[in-house]
Amino acid sequence: EAGVVQSPRYKIIEKKQPVAFWCNPISGHNTLYWYLQNLGQGPELLIRYENEEAVDDSQLPKDRFSAERLKGVDSTLKIQPAELGDSAVYLCASSLVASNEQFFGPGTRLTVL
Amino acid sequence: KQEVTQIPAALSVPEGENLVLNCSFTDSAIYNLQWFRQDPGKGLTSLLLIQSSQREQTSGRLNASLDKSSGRSTLYIAASQPGDSATYLCAVETSGSRLTFGEGTQLTVNP
Repeated sequence: EAGVVQSPRYKIIEKKQPVAFWCNPISGHNTLYWYLQNLGQGPELLIRYENEEAVDDSQLPKDRFSAERLKGVDSTLKIQPAELGDSAVYLCASSLVASNEQFFGPGTRLTVL
Repeated sequence: KQEVTQIPAALSVPEGENLVLNCSFTDSAIYNLQWFRQDPGKGLTSLLLIQSSQREQTSGRLNASLDKSSGRSTLYIAASQPGDSATYLCAVETSGSRLTFGEGTQLTVNP
């Protein structure tokens, strides 16, 4: 069974440019999460989806970050415009339902110059 | 606000040693606790999940315990191998299905 797929794996952009990350969760998983991981720290939740509904986006910086999960499957996380402090690894995870074991993708490492 | 602390931050041991990683959390009202492994440049791999009603879980050479009332969990690794070298992260799930992570313990097992 395929795991959580993310693309791209690496992205380097200039500050003020837009960037988008894509995630395909494990088939049949209703819950999808986006996390931010800074170097040497644990991941922090940005947003959680139940099917196509964003049920927890309280930690998403909505002035520059947006996300969508059309049709309750794939999801896209966007940053516009990117800032130097956004350099980090962006992880996507999914679970069968909420409060269940979470499975993580390999992440997208973003570098903002 | 839930806070998760992991001790030690880094650990280096010779191959074959048994070792214990520690995790503590400030709010005992958790749904479950999960231990993950993260290899450099990779995502997280789930190792063990302990529900709040459970005391421990075992998988191969790994054993995780949970003492919810004292806000502590330990991950025991038996007969460590160089392939066990990675960062180990502890995370607790609280209301709203939110995982709060510790900063991890970086483990190096020397051949």
